[in-house]
Parts: sequence; structure tokens; C-alpha cells
Amino acid sequence: DGGITQSPKYLFRKEGQNVTLSCEQNLNHDAMYWYRQDPGQGLRLIYYSQIVNDFQKGDIAEGYSVSREKKESFPLTVTSAQKNPTAFYLCASSGTSGDFPTDTQYFGPGTRLTVL
Amino acid sequence: AQSVSQHNHHVILSEAASLELGCNYSYGGTVNLFWYVQYPGQHLQLLLKYFSGDPLVKGIKGFEAEFIKSKFSFNLRKPSVQWSDTAEYFCAVNFMEYGNKLVFGAGTILRVKS
Repeated sequence: DGGITQSPKYLFRKEGQNVTLSCEQNLNHDAMYWYRQDPGQGLRLIYYSQIVNDFQKGDIAEGYSVSREKKESFPLTVTSAQKNPTAFYLCASSGTSGDFPTDTQYFGPGTRLTVL
Repeated sequence: AQSVSQHNHHVILSEAASLELGCNYSYGGTVNLFWYVQYPGQHLQLLLKYFSGDPLVKGIKGFEAEFIKSKFSFNLRKPSVQWSDTAEYFCAVNFMEYGNKLVFGAGTILRVKS
């Protein structure tokens, strides 16, 4: 059963703690993405990765970090430096076409992070 | 900066009414265009997309969208909505010459009354 999995579905953390969100895909996609979804703001790109061992900052990367050690995995760490971390986090992946992924992005179910 | 605007944040319609959701983007170069839908409690999923060719694109569940390059628009339409169309709809644009990043609109929440 192919797709993107994110775990956990709900996550609670105390202020000041780092937390890592998991994203795994078995679609054999080269590119993976992390977005943050807030009510009334749509999805905003945090980080993206076109290939293993490479990633770039998106529009709102401050306070976040990522790694891409394996093609199928792209974990996101929300650090204590992120000023407003409570949000819904979505992971996506896409196939590649040419130099940069231009194909359709497929999304995981999301992780709702609440920082208390 | 590249941006995507969705004109209505909330839309309420009765079943069988026609739907048109507006989407405009701020850039005149080469773009790929998408509409995604998020049903309550479900994954964000692709409704339709435009890369090239016929500017009238047909998607799943009877939805269609028209790319009007001169107006930088990609409006979503459905002739007759159903209660099951209640969802949040996102327009997204891939600005090809600016790093190919996908930029999303703020979303439109559609509620269809039965």
C-alpha cells in the first residue's frame, strides 16, 4: 500500500523542548517537502529536499531543521527557537522531472503539534 | 514575492448550486497550477492540475478549472455541488522560474447545505 505516513497524528510538548516529526514515503519519490498549515494562511513551505543528503530552506525555515539521510525519510525537528510552533504540519513528496521536481505533490495525513 | 490569492475564505451554498472559487497569482512567467482539496479529517488530495495545453482542465468529482493567462487566474468551477463537496479548497502555483516552489493560497472553506 503506497503512500506517505506521518507520525504521530497528535503531539504535545512543553515549551522549550525540541520535537521531531516523522515522515516516510514508499512512493520512490526523489523530492520531499515540509509545510506548516495555519487557519486562514494556507500552507507555507518550511524545508524541501530534491535528493538524498541535500535540502533547502523554504519560506519559514527559522526554528526548524531537517535531515535527508534516506530517500524515503525526511524528519522535521521543531526546535525551541521556533517562536510559535503550535500548528498542523504536512509532509509531501513528488517525482522529479528534469532538474527540479515539477510533478504533483502528494501529501501525508499531517501531525498536529501543540506546545503547552 | 510570488503570491497566490483566493478571493473568498468562506463560501456557503445549497445543494445543486453552481460553484466558482477564484484564484489569482502575482507573476507572469511560466507556471504550473493546482487545486487541492481537504475533506474533513482527510489528507490533502489533488483535485486537478494544469501544466500545458488546453486551458480548461477537468478533474475528479466533476470539478473543472480554467487557466486564463492574461488574467493570471485559475478559477475552480462545478456546475452543481453536493453536500459531500464540503471541504477546504486550496489553489497552488508552481512558479517555474523562481526555484519551482509551490505557493499556496490561503484556502476557501466551502460548506454545502443539504
